[in-house]
Amino acid sequence: AQSVAQPEDQVNVAEGNPLTVKCTYSVSGNPYLFWYVQYPNRGLQFLLKYITGDNLVKGSYGFEAEFNKSQTSFHLKKPSALVSDSALYFCAEPSSASKIIFGSGTRLSIRP
Amino acid sequence: NAGVTQTPKFQVLKTGQSMTLQCAQDMNHNSMYWYRQDPGMGLRLIYYSASEGTTDKGEVPNGYNVSRLNKREFSLRLESAAPSQTSVYFCASSGPEGAGQPQHFGDGTRLSIL
Repeated sequence: AQSVAQPEDQVNVAEGNPLTVKCTYSVSGNPYLFWYVQYPNRGLQFLLKYITGDNLVKGSYGFEAEFNKSQTSFHLKKPSALVSDSALYFCAEPSSASKIIFGSGTRLSIRP
Repeated sequence: NAGVTQTPKFQVLKTGQSMTLQCAQDMNHNSMYWYRQDPGMGLRLIYYSASEGTTDKGEVPNGYNVSRLNKREFSLRLESAAPSQTSVYFCASSGPEGAGQPQHFGDGTRLSIL
């Protein structure tokens, strides 16, 4: 079965440092992949997606994600973390033309 | 620029009561979804509607019913609420057809069943 895995429940980073939130996927071939962010008491917001082409995808709020086919990974990155980046992050991939499978989520905490 | 609107935002029910959660989108999307989010469980799909007039079960449909009232609206009904249905419920939409389309989410309904 298709799945995405987020191996870290929580990631802690100091403000100004680079951050990485990890995601691995299971589908063979070139998948579609997404990252979403959820702030407290809000719904999920779309950050970026990989369809095909460049392995480095740029998204909202200065985030980017690197697609690595050999490692089946799609890690979310930002060069310099902000306290306001503290939130819950979800990796996701489609399971059909209509449905998406979400990872379990990673809580990112940025300390001042 | 409303996007996906869910009502109510909060609700407390007693076991056995019924209620309907409302969702509307103004993006002319074909597909709509209902998820529940529980601590440590991520998002689980309850039901979805790939187009107006169709609905399909997701991962956790038991205890719920849905109605795709028209292209804009997709409601979720709890016929006899149980404490296990205490959760945060999210509605989402996406379109047009295709696996590369992101979903757009409402801000959720926080439901407590006593």
